[in-house]
Amino acid sequence: SQTIHQWPATLVQPVGSPLSLECTVEGTSNPNLYWYRQAAGRGLQLLFYSVGIGQISSEVPQNLSASRPQDRQFILSSKKLLLSDSGFYLCAWHGGLYNEKLFFGSGTQLSVL
Amino acid sequence: SQQGEEDPQALSIQEGENATMNCSYKTSINNLQWYRQNSGRGLVHLILIRSNEREKHSGRLRVTLDTSKKSSSLLITASRAADTASYFCATDAIAGNQFYFGTGTSLTVIP
Repeated sequence: SQTIHQWPATLVQPVGSPLSLECTVEGTSNPNLYWYRQAAGRGLQLLFYSVGIGQISSEVPQNLSASRPQDRQFILSSKKLLLSDSGFYLCAWHGGLYNEKLFFGSGTQLSVL
Repeated sequence: SQQGEEDPQALSIQEGENATMNCSYKTSINNLQWYRQNSGRGLVHLILIRSNEREKHSGRLRVTLDTSKKSSSLLITASRAADTASYFCATDAIAGNQFYFGTGTSLTVIP
């Protein structure tokens, strides 16, 4: 069966420090991969998605970047964190076909201080 | 932004009552999905309705879709305390791979 792993669960980082969040999927191949951010008590904002290795689409201009070095690995990065980067980050995967659902990781709560 | 909106933002009901939440979206879609999120956790898929469907049932869930009004509703019947969570609708981009989520409804079911 397919599983998605996302870590760490909680992260506290100072302003100006780098960031690397990792997400891996098991049990499927060539998934579509997604990074979302959720502000406290708010909806999900799509940050990046990827339909294949090295293929990254950005939804909003921001201080973050994403990479997909392997088929089932999706990384969210920043060179210098801002206070506004705080939030709950969720990774998700999709099989790439119509009428399929998204599967979400357990999320990373990032606090930038 | 292509993000949809749910209303109400928050809903509090007694156990056993029905809960109805609504979702409006902005663009044409292939399908619409509803997800549930417990506090501080990832989202879990509940139900999917295709753009050519008007109503769908799954257990205590009933979803309707009106593509002419670009709106959907989720009905949870005979609510339980364990239904307490946030509920989100999500739409896909008809010509892409994106999924856009609404702002969510926070449901509290009082035992």
